[in-house]
Amino acid sequence: ETGVTQSPTHLIKTRGQQVTLRCSSQSGHNTVSWYQQALGQGPQFIFQYYREEENGRGNFPPRFSGLQFPNYSSELNVNALELDDSALYLCASSFRDRGYGYTFGSGTRLTVV
Amino acid sequence: GNSVTQMEGPVTLSEEAFLTINCTYTATGYPSLFWYVQYPGEGLQLLLKATKADDKGSNKGFEATYRKETTSFHLEKGSVQVSDSAVYFCALPAGGTSYGKLTFGQGTILTVHP
Repeated sequence: ETGVTQSPTHLIKTRGQQVTLRCSSQSGHNTVSWYQQALGQGPQFIFQYYREEENGRGNFPPRFSGLQFPNYSSELNVNALELDDSALYLCASSFRDRGYGYTFGSGTRLTVV
Repeated sequence: GNSVTQMEGPVTLSEEAFLTINCTYTATGYPSLFWYVQYPGEGLQLLLKATKADDKGSNKGFEATYRKETTSFHLEKGSVQVSDSAVYFCALPAGGTSYGKLTFGQGTILTVHP
């Protein structure tokens, strides 16, 4: 079975711009979560999508938004980028009804300058 | 919600030394507990997990026992290798209505020298 793939692997954006990060779930998984990991910190939960709807959100402003598609892939969109948005963004997929079997992708390293 | 406190690092060991990384948790009920590992430049990999009290998770020579009496889930390895150098995170479900949200510790950097 394929794992979780994220694209792009690295990205540099300018403050105020918008960015879209993409995630393909592991085969058979129907739930996607996104995490932000600042340098030297543990991952922080942004939100989760299940059946194409947001199903839980962490302490992040509305300029962080997402989508989940019928094939369970997902996008994370960030508007009006700020310098503090520079981080590793991790996507994790799971099959909700089987408990917490999360599989993480390798992440997208976003640098805002 | 649930929370986790993880031993601060960094931890520096010589090859074949014994490793312990402490993790304690605060939780409602008895949630599953996890250890994740992050190698340089990579995402998170599940190292091991325990789903109920007194369970022992193990993988690649690493072990951790779910101890409800001390609310701990310490990670141990009897003989570390250079290839074990990475960041280790203790985690558990956030609990409450936050389905699917994992709460992570701050991470412990492990460096193993030959």
